[in-house]
Amino acid sequence: EAQVTQNPRYLITVTGKKLTVTCSQNMNHEYMSWYRQDPGLGLRQIYYSMNVEVTDKGDVPEGYKVSRKEKRNFPLILESPSPNQTSLYFCASRRGREGEQYFGPGTRLTVT
Amino acid sequence: GENVEQHPSTLSVQEGDSAVIKCTYSDSASNYFPWYKQELGKGPQLIIDIRSNVGEKKDQRIAVTLNKTAKHFSLHITETQPEDSAVYFCAASIEGGADGLTFGKGTHLIIQP
Repeated sequence: EAQVTQNPRYLITVTGKKLTVTCSQNMNHEYMSWYRQDPGLGLRQIYYSMNVEVTDKGDVPEGYKVSRKEKRNFPLILESPSPNQTSLYFCASRRGREGEQYFGPGTRLTVT
Repeated sequence: GENVEQHPSTLSVQEGDSAVIKCTYSDSASNYFPWYKQELGKGPQLIIDIRSNVGEKKDQRIAVTLNKTAKHFSLHITETQPEDSAVYFCAASIEGGADGLTFGKGTHLIIQP
């Protein structure tokens, strides 16, 4: 089954404790991205990657890092999480530069 | 960059009636306009999309219209059913460009029985 998976689905952590949210897709898609969803703000892109070792900032990259060492994986790293990063995070993938973007099930992060 | 405005933020309709959600975009270079449906606890799923070389597209009970001159596009759902209750997002992008989708803020559609 074609899908985007994220782990963990739920995470509660404390300010400053580094964390990684993993994202994996089994569709051999070149394009992957991370979004955060906040009430009243919709979905905002954090980072995206056009292919292995190619990443770029989206609209709200501050406080986040990503890496793309393999085509299927695109982890999101919060080196020093802060409460304003409490949000619902979605990973997405797409084949090439066009077409449907597939979303993962989401990771709900709470930073206290 | 692109800016997408979406209205209304909440829409309540009687089961069986039609629902219309409207979006405007700012970048005249945008040429790809998808609509996503997000059910509770799930990620957004594409339900229909339209490209700028087409004015209207239909898929059973849902349709999307695009007015490039006015830079707005709309989602129409006819004969609404309880399972249509969800949050709907419009988005815009330049297909083939490096940037991702720019989303509207979402519309919570409530179907009243």
